[in-house]
Amino acid sequence: GENVEQHPSTLSVQEGDSAVIKCTYSDSASNYFPWYKQELGKRPQLIIDIRSNVGEKKDQRIAVTLNKTAKHFSLHITETQPEDSAVYFCAASRANTGFQKLVFGTGTRLLVSP
Amino acid sequence: NAGVTQTPKFRILKIGQSMTLQCTQDMNHNYMYWYRQDPGMGLKLIYYSVGAGITDKGEVPNGYNVSRSTTEDFPLRLELAAPSQTSVYFCASSYEGQDSPLHFGNGTRLTVT
Repeated sequence: GENVEQHPSTLSVQEGDSAVIKCTYSDSASNYFPWYKQELGKRPQLIIDIRSNVGEKKDQRIAVTLNKTAKHFSLHITETQPEDSAVYFCAASRANTGFQKLVFGTGTRLLVSP
Repeated sequence: NAGVTQTPKFRILKIGQSMTLQCTQDMNHNYMYWYRQDPGMGLKLIYYSVGAGITDKGEVPNGYNVSRSTTEDFPLRLELAAPSQTSVYFCASSYEGQDSPLHFGNGTRLTVT
């Protein structure tokens, strides 16, 4: 089955710096890669996702890149702000029929210091 | 529109007790899921359902049971609770479309002592 590894487990940056979180996956048939943000004590929420037919996707200060050959994808946050502090989870699945049997990474705790 | 509602928010069980975690959604989603979240371990899929009357096992189904009698409700049953089931449980739902995000509930924090 699919296995997703995520690094680093903890990331501390200064406000305004960029942050990069990396994930690798094992199943070459995986074609859907979402990122979820979980603030302390709250529910995970989708922040961005990418499909395997796209190499990069941006949404304001966040972007995700995908390298299918190397089977890894990354989350990039630019101009970080204290409210970006949270745990970020990557995930992977085959989503051909719409059903997402997501396999999650172990999470990255991002701390943005003012 | 409440989204996905989970009850209770917190529960302490003694070893061997049983309980049902309730989950209901008002978005008319066909797909529903139960995840558990352990510290440093991400989210693991326990059971899922693609529609009323249809359920299937996820990655970590042992010790749990589910039912889906209606589109709205997807309860998770713990029989003979064990300390290994101490975790935060999240219910989620989604549309059938390929780009449909998971909508999570607020979670249930369960402690088994």
